[in-house]
Amino acid sequence: ETGVTQTPRHLVMGMTNKKSLKCEQHLGHNAMYWYKQSAKKPLELMFVYSLEERVENNSVPSRFSPECPNSSHLFLHLHTLQPEDSALYLCASSQEEVNNEQFFGPGTRLTVL
Amino acid sequence: KQEVTQIPAALSVPEGENLVLNCSFTDSAIYNLQWFRQDPGKGLTSLLLIQSSQREQTSGRLNASLDKSSGRSTLYIAASQPGDSATYLCAVRRASGGSYIPTFGRGTSLIVHP
Repeated sequence: ETGVTQTPRHLVMGMTNKKSLKCEQHLGHNAMYWYKQSAKKPLELMFVYSLEERVENNSVPSRFSPECPNSSHLFLHLHTLQPEDSALYLCASSQEEVNNEQFFGPGTRLTVL
Repeated sequence: KQEVTQIPAALSVPEGENLVLNCSFTDSAIYNLQWFRQDPGKGLTSLLLIQSSQREQTSGRLNASLDKSSGRSTLYIAASQPGDSATYLCAVRRASGGSYIPTFGRGTSLIVHP
C-alpha cells in the first residue's frame, strides 16, 4: 500500500454504537490530520497530531476521540453520535518543517441513523 | 480568523477553454497555499503547493500564482479537458505553536463538457 489509506470506506452506525475510523500513512510523514466534510460546507479541520502529540483540537465535541499511537497510524473513535455527524471523514498527512504539502486519504463515508 | 473565499462557486465550460479559478484569503500571514482537486465522493489530490516566498508554480497545464500582499491566488488551467471536471479547493496554512494549521475554501465546481 502506498500513500494514505483509510478504513472502512463506508460506515453506517446507530446513535448508540461505538465505532472507530482508521488511517494509515506510508509516506514517512510526522503529522496527521482529521477533517470533516459535510455537504455545502468548507472542509473542517478537526484534529492535528504532530510527532504523535495533539497540537490542535478545533472545538470538536467529545463524542469524537482521536488517538495517534505512532506517526503512521491515526484513529478516530466515535460514540453516541448524532445524525448531523453524517459526513465524509478525511485523513491527511504531511511532513512538518519541510514544505508541509498535505496528502489525503480516500475518506470514510459515515452515516449516522 | 482566516477566511478563504473561492470564486466562482461553479463553472461550466466547453472543452478547450482556458480557465482561471480564484482564491482569496483575509490574513496574509500565511506559510503556504495548496491547490487540490476532489472528484465526487473521493479524497483530495494535491495539484500545486506554493510557499509564501514564491510567486507561482507550474505543473503541466496548471499554473498557480500567489500574491500574498493582496491575499489572492489564481489557478490557471490551459486547454481544459472533460477529465478536468472536479471540485477545486484551495487551502492556506498559518503557523501555530510549531504546527501549520490549514483553512480551506468551499471550492469551485468545474464541469468541462465535450
